[in-house]
Amino acid sequence: GAGVSQSPSNKVTEKGKDVELRCDPISGHTALYWYRQSLGQGLEFLIYFQGNSAPDKSGLPSDRFSAERTGGSVSTLTIQRTQQEDSAVYLCASSVGQVGRPQHFGDGTRLSIL
Amino acid sequence: KNQVEQSPQSLIILEGKNCTLQCNYTVSPFSNLRWYKQDTGRGPVSLTIMTFSENTKSNGRYTATLDADTKQSSLHITASQLSDSASYICDSRTNAGNNRKLIWGLGTSLAVNP
Repeated sequence: GAGVSQSPSNKVTEKGKDVELRCDPISGHTALYWYRQSLGQGLEFLIYFQGNSAPDKSGLPSDRFSAERTGGSVSTLTIQRTQQEDSAVYLCASSVGQVGRPQHFGDGTRLSIL
Repeated sequence: KNQVEQSPQSLIILEGKNCTLQCNYTVSPFSNLRWYKQDTGRGPVSLTIMTFSENTKSNGRYTATLDADTKQSSLHITASQLSDSASYICDSRTNAGNNRKLIWGLGTSLAVNP
């Protein structure tokens, strides 16, 4: 389809392992966002890409979290040495142009840390 | 401090009834406010956007209002359907020079019962 695609849809891993989450934005969307949503909580902003650059990474909770974007398209969010508090749904969104344009969200990756 | 507060936190109504969800924002300078619907297990989907000069905007059975004086927005759902059961989230954009930010509310969880 033409929507934002995230993979995997579900990920269960042991505490201390590294995980990589992938986001395929809508073709032509220059802006890409990562959010975290814990059970019953609101969207927590993590990082924003414009093209391959990340002008705002202020939401990354610790240095265990990193993200990159290549070719102005696919983005990966990496969590190293996962902790139980990292368990959440990680949502990716893309939009045309600058902040404030309607964001198109993927269905997220549900991450469970055992 | 830029904030977006939503009320009620949760709401249960009977199918066919109307309801109104509230979003109060203390965002300055204000640019726009957007309402999203998030079905369980899915990413949020944009319903409507309200700019400073707009008072009312409709999208089918959804009508959003904005009062720039009181800094309040509401989302009114008419003749509710079971499929309206979801979380409704509002976000507001501030546009202070290079510091463009989206401020997200925590959402209202709506359950429509038969």
